Amino acid sequence: AQRVTQPEKLLSVFKGAPVELKCNYSYSGSPELFWYVQYSRQRLQLLLRHISRESIKGFTADLNKGETSFHLKKPFAQEEDSAMYYCALRNTGFQKLVFGTGTRLLVSP
Amino acid sequence: NAGVTQTPKFQVLKTGQSMTLQCAQDMNHEYMSWYRQDPGMGLRLIHYSVGAGITDQGEVPNGYNVSRSTTEDFPLRLLSAAPSQTSVYFCASSSHLAGETGELFFGEGSRLTVL
Repeated sequence: AQRVTQPEKLLSVFKGAPVELKCNYSYSGSPELFWYVQYSRQRLQLLLRHISRESIKGFTADLNKGETSFHLKKPFAQEEDSAMYYCALRNTGFQKLVFGTGTRLLVSP
Repeated sequence: NAGVTQTPKFQVLKTGQSMTLQCAQDMNHEYMSWYRQDPGMGLRLIHYSVGAGITDQGEVPNGYNVSRSTTEDFPLRLLSAAPSQTSVYFCASSSHLAGETGELFFGEGSRLTVL
């Protein structure tokens, strides 16, 4: 069965500090991994996908199949990064998306 | 483009009452889904549909019904509301046609309280 684990419910850092939001998954097929973000009073939206290997708003995430992880990283956190972050997994070729429990990132000045 | 539109935004029900959460999208997406968001539990998939006339169960389908008679609409029905169904509900859609990213587009959410 597909499963996504985000071990931290809350991550609190100071502005300018590095950030790493952890995501581990269990899946036996060929997964696609995503990070979605929900800013205060905004809709959930896609932040980045492992397939595109791009950096969005300074965030990057590398898929590590050996460790079954897809951690989200940013070298210098900004206050506007404060939000709820969800890691999600989908079976390649299928459409159903399974989410983790989410991590709330709080960046203090 | 309005994207994904959910109604109502807020609803209070008494135990045993029924109601329908409406969801409509104007992006011609074939895939639509319903999630519920609860503190500490994240987003859990209730039901999903890969096209008109096709629906399937997600992780937490009990107590909910769906139908997909058109590409645009995907209503979620609560037949007999229970306090455990107090939650924020999100509808989301995506396209998986060739050349599309499969990005999931979300509605604003519907906050349901069952007393």
